[in-house]
Amino acid sequence: GNSVTQMEGPVTLSEEAFLTINCTYTATGYPSLFWYVQYPGEGLQLLLKATKADDKGSNKGFEATYRKETTSFHLEKGSVQVSDSAVYFCARGGETSGSRLTFGEGTQLTVNP
Amino acid sequence: SQTIHQWPATLVQPVGSPLSLECTVEGTSNPNLYWYRQAAGRGLQLLFYSVGIGQISSEVPQNLSASRPQDRQFILSSKKLLLSDSGFYLCAWSTSGSDTQYFGPGTRLTVL
Repeated sequence: GNSVTQMEGPVTLSEEAFLTINCTYTATGYPSLFWYVQYPGEGLQLLLKATKADDKGSNKGFEATYRKETTSFHLEKGSVQVSDSAVYFCARGGETSGSRLTFGEGTQLTVNP
Repeated sequence: SQTIHQWPATLVQPVGSPLSLECTVEGTSNPNLYWYRQAAGRGLQLLFYSVGIGQISSEVPQNLSASRPQDRQFILSSKKLLLSDSGFYLCAWSTSGSDTQYFGPGTRLTVL
């Protein structure tokens, strides 16, 4: 079936460390891919997205590249800050535009000073 | 610009009591609307979605229901709450024809 698999957490890093959160998906077509971030006690915020193969989404120092060959959309940041501590969700769209999203289980990131 | 509101922000209800959570969207017309629940832990469970007034699709059979009385209003209800209904309820919207969803601030429901 169509699903999203995320790197299990929790992930704990020191400030200024490099971050990678892995995400892979299954699909018969080429769905849009998303990363959302949820800060404690808040709703989800769209962090970045990519709509076709080889697209790179970026925002606030975070990047993710749509890799069709490996069906992956890994989230990276070169230097994390304490304020990046949150839960990160990978998601994929449906096979047609306007379809519902399928979310991964989320990855808790804690960044220590 | 578009904004999405949810209320109440927090709610504590006894088992067996009714529930009504409200979600409204401003700045857009004919949005797709979604209700999610986030139980203990982090995962999101899609409960209901709506593509128009009076059009509701249920994803998970349970004692919850949803209604869309107006274009930009989405309501989540229950006649009798269960302990297992506790969680963080999130409303989201998307433009018709787009996958990108935008989430509200959520309602924290505790059933005692």
